[in-house]
Amino acid sequence: DIQMTQSPSSLSASVGDRVTITCRASQSISTFLNWYQQKPGKAPRLLIYGTSSLQTWVPSRFSGSGSETDFTLTISGLQPEDFATYYCQQSYTTPPTFGQGTKLEIK
Amino acid sequence: QVQLQESGPGLVKPSETLSLTCTVSGASISGYYWSWLRQPPGEGLQWVAYIHSSGSTKYNPSLKSRVSISVDTSKNLFSLRLNSVTAADTAVYYCARQTNWNYEWDYWGQGALVTVSS
Repeated sequence: DIQMTQSPSSLSASVGDRVTITCRASQSISTFLNWYQQKPGKAPRLLIYGTSSLQTWVPSRFSGSGSETDFTLTISGLQPEDFATYYCQQSYTTPPTFGQGTKLEIK
Repeated sequence: QVQLQESGPGLVKPSETLSLTCTVSGASISGYYWSWLRQPPGEGLQWVAYIHSSGSTKYNPSLKSRVSISVDTSKNLFSLRLNSVTAADTAVYYCARQTNWNYEWDYWGQGALVTVSS
């Protein structure tokens, strides 16, 4: 299985900050990388697919980049509703696998 | 508005079979891929299996010997069975719609907590 490693595991930030979460794959996955947002007690929501394409509900302060093994999720200008756990996920091969998650907390 | 709803027992005894159903509303199940994923309490996400409305399936190799997934297009639902469960199978089980053969899930159920305990 392809291992997905996120860093950091947790992050404290303030409203208005710019934050970056990184995700590294154990082998090349081209751009088959997705990001999900999960709030406590809720199902994950697809945030970004194909490395950089935003779902229709996602505001433009979110962006994704990367290729091969290294990927980033950036949030420019944190809003209160952005505090959540974020997961990266590779869709390159079976089984699809997730990172361990990055918990974004309010400072 | 596509909605998915998991249903099934919340408590299963060790060595028995976990059975869950996902009822889809707001859209036809036909023409899409449908997955089960799970998340142990406080942990990350694991994909379990998918099925296409045509009946083709794919399973996570780590669970393949114990899992089966089925679809009933007449009732617009699909189901999961996981046998010989242990405490390690305790998790919130989610059903979700895949956008295509690729592993991207755009609609999710609210999740169903299944606890394996005697």
